[in-house]
Amino acid sequence: QLQLQESGPGLVRPSETLSLTCTVSDDSISSNSYYWGWIRQTPGMGLEWIGLIYYSGSTYCNPSLKSRVTMSIDTSKNQFSLRLSSVTAADTAVYYCARQITGDVNWFDPWGQGTLVTVSS
Amino acid sequence: QPVLTQPPSASASLGASVTLTCTVSSGYNNYKVDWYQQRPGKGPRFVMRVGTGGIVGSKGDGIPDRFSVLGSGLNRYLTIKNIQEEDEGDYHCGADHTSGNNFVWVFGGGTKLTVL
Repeated sequence: QLQLQESGPGLVRPSETLSLTCTVSDDSISSNSYYWGWIRQTPGMGLEWIGLIYYSGSTYCNPSLKSRVTMSIDTSKNQFSLRLSSVTAADTAVYYCARQITGDVNWFDPWGQGTLVTVSS
Repeated sequence: QPVLTQPPSASASLGASVTLTCTVSSGYNNYKVDWYQQRPGKGPRFVMRVGTGGIVGSKGDGIPDRFSVLGSGLNRYLTIKNIQEEDEGDYHCGADHTSGNNFVWVFGGGTKLTVL
């Protein structure tokens, strides 16, 4: 069964760049059948979609975060990554990566277990 | 883009039934929403997709038959029958909205389900 695992620093200073990597347990990251996504959950709040990346490197991003988000994919390592610049305390959240099938059945499944990132000096 | 609204909390006794509601904002009557279960300390897990005609596609892996969905008007319902302790957690609804060549995913605020 496919598994996704987020990794990266748990503490980031304000105004710096948050960097996370998601490792996929098989080589389906190279398939044209899937998008790979980032979603975050702020403490006590709901989910917020950050963006999607395709195996080709094409990206879709939440307009509210677009100016600060960079996503990349490395199919040779079965990994995709997120960079969020100029972070503030409002970016403190649990960050999840997830897979999305292309086409009509495009829900997010599965998700990683999430990684908590705290923005603090 | 649509706004999804969920009650913040719900509760039900062990063995009872509960219906969770996700309301889509006016003007988005035909939107389908996805239900996700999030157990304490875990990542979300896909449950199933629902439109006005009911379930769309298949349930997520391992989702028991006790879970069902219904769609009516602006409301998308998730019903859990014979509630078990393992059903406790947060339930989120989400939907995608396409505008031109772009799309965005939106989520509701989530409902915390307590099993009494």
